Amino acid sequence: DAMVIQNPRYQVTQFGKPVTLSCSQTLNHNVMYWYQQKSSQAPKLLFHYYDKDFNNEADTPDNFQSRRPNTSFCFLDIRSPGLGDAAMYLCATSSRDSSYEQYFGPGTRLTVT
Amino acid sequence: ILNVEQSPQSLHVQEGDSTNFTCSFPSSNFYALHWYRWETAKSPEALFVMTLNGDEKKKGRISATLNTKEGYSYLYIKGSQPEDSATYLCAAYYGGSQGNLIFGKGTKLSVKP
Repeated sequence: DAMVIQNPRYQVTQFGKPVTLSCSQTLNHNVMYWYQQKSSQAPKLLFHYYDKDFNNEADTPDNFQSRRPNTSFCFLDIRSPGLGDAAMYLCATSSRDSSYEQYFGPGTRLTVT
Repeated sequence: ILNVEQSPQSLHVQEGDSTNFTCSFPSSNFYALHWYRWETAKSPEALFVMTLNGDEKKKGRISATLNTKEGYSYLYIKGSQPEDSATYLCAAYYGGSQGNLIFGKGTKLSVKP
């Protein structure tokens, strides 16, 4: 089945230690998104790629970076995680833009110690 | 800042009860409204995408309506079952070729057998 896969499902990192979260998709969608959801909060878009075009949300901290080496893969890099970065990170894809259905992965739960 | 509100935050019902929850959103420049169901440890699953005022969509026992003029959508579940237990997220889209979804915090539904 076509799907969105996130690895790992659970990630524990130390304060200040760089961490990379991975997302892959078999849907061949050209748009990929990264969302952050903190406890009891709404998922918040960090950035998205439309093909190779990177679109950063204005309030996304510089600590968060992303890479999309090809259509299938997208990475979220957190350069120096702080305690406030502990959250669920969701990856999603869509075939065009957000007016159309977005397909989500199961998320990566990040803990910062 | 666009704000999407969902109510109630959580809901506990008995098996067989019918229930509904609300999503409210700014109606200016609105384009589309998405509903997702998110079960624990799984990927958020798209239920409906609605764009037109008066839209009604149905999938099995779940249905949704949309009022774009006043900026709200209702999600109805008829005869709730334990497998309906999940968090229900709504998200509004405001257009632009690379626009993004603005999510609410979700309504967490628990259905007791």
